[in-house]
Amino acid sequence: AQKVTQAQTEISVVEKEDVTLDCVYETRDTTYYLFWYKQPPSGELVFLIRRNSFDEQNEISGRYSWNFQKSTSSFNFTITASQVVDSAVYFCALIKAAGNKLTFGGGTRVLVKP
Amino acid sequence: NAGVTQTPKFQVLKTGQSMTLQCAQDMNHEYMSWYRQDPGMGLRLIHYSVGAGITDQGEVPNGYNVSRSTTEDFPLRLLSAAPSQTSVYFCASSYSGRVSGANVLTFGAGSRLTVL
Repeated sequence: AQKVTQAQTEISVVEKEDVTLDCVYETRDTTYYLFWYKQPPSGELVFLIRRNSFDEQNEISGRYSWNFQKSTSSFNFTITASQVVDSAVYFCALIKAAGNKLTFGGGTRVLVKP
Repeated sequence: NAGVTQTPKFQVLKTGQSMTLQCAQDMNHEYMSWYRQDPGMGLRLIHYSVGAGITDQGEVPNGYNVSRSTTEDFPLRLLSAAPSQTSVYFCASSYSGRVSGANVLTFGAGSRLTVL
């Protein structure tokens, strides 16, 4: 069985601070994909990133960066110099390659105060 | 492109009533799925389909039915609504297999259901 744990339920920061969201996963599969989705206050779910289990390179996209460490089964997400528009719930998710069941973590609510 | 369209956006039901949440996508995605979102529990998979005529159960299928008669549509039926089914429901679709973009879900805007 797959499991995704986001231990931080809510994080509050002041604008321009960095914030790191933790994601720890469990799977018996050797090939899988990891995802991050964003859910702003408007409620829609927006895809941010997909990472293959064979690719452990860190990735940076603007102010967003992701740190994938297979040895610790973690896929952490950092927002650098946070902005009010980053306020949202962020979900980490996992699916085995060629699988059909995407498993989500419980989500972390990020509140960025001006 | 419309993407994934869900209707209705809001619905209030009484216990025991039935209803159907509609989902349609125009991206020719093979894979479609329904999730429910409850506070602190993330999104949980209800049912999914890998193509027309093929459906399967997810993590929390009880009380829900689905069918997939066309590639575009994947309705979710509540047979006899219960207060425990009060939730926000999301339909999502993606390519499947080994194509680029496989497993990257596109979500609908959500349907907020309240069962009294």
